[in-house]
Amino acid sequence: ETGVTQTPRHLVMGMTNKKSLKCEQHLGHNAMYWYKQSAKKPLELMFVYSLEERVENNSVPSRFSPECPNSSHLFLHLHTLQPEDSALYLCASSRDYTELPTQYFGPGTRLTVL
Amino acid sequence: DQQVKQNSPSLSVQEGRISILNCDYTNSMFDYFLWYKKYPAEGPTFLISISSIKDKNEDGRFTVFLNKSAKHLSLHIVPSQPGDSAVYFCAASAAGNQFYFGTGTSLTVIP
Repeated sequence: ETGVTQTPRHLVMGMTNKKSLKCEQHLGHNAMYWYKQSAKKPLELMFVYSLEERVENNSVPSRFSPECPNSSHLFLHLHTLQPEDSALYLCASSRDYTELPTQYFGPGTRLTVL
Repeated sequence: DQQVKQNSPSLSVQEGRISILNCDYTNSMFDYFLWYKKYPAEGPTFLISISSIKDKNEDGRFTVFLNKSAKHLSLHIVPSQPGDSAVYFCAASAAGNQFYFGTGTSLTVIP
């Protein structure tokens, strides 16, 4: 499989659940990103990892917890979410973080919090 | 406050005609701009970019124009094809840092 993949594609969870989103890139890239896209809002950058180290954390609530075990995998652990967290969560990767990157996006996980 | 704005949520164009998608930005430090295209149920895919040292970049049917004084960029698609129907996002970055995205414009090309 090539490109950037995300699982699951759809997720419905209650506010007390714990779930994880998974992203995998097969492009040999060194940087990975989590974005949130809410309805009628621009894509919001949540986290950036470069060479498995977190380099940006854009004031994201602690109920979102990222993990990057290696340069090919990125997780977003979710716990005690709120209904307003329902959105499309997109993962992306790029060759490097420091150069002007062209980011390659996965298909996204559509999350609904009940 | 949104630093990148796409004020037209949707646009319809006849096949074969020109599609013009617009994007405005507020941060004068932005020096690199991209357009992404997104089909339903897929992630955005990179389409074309432009650096602030240029005012035009062309790739096949797609041309991006940058007007730095007006803080405005536009994407022209000529001729438009039904397969171009998608949501188009513009994004901007300053000095290779975080990209800021617009809210997208949904383009429908009518056969």
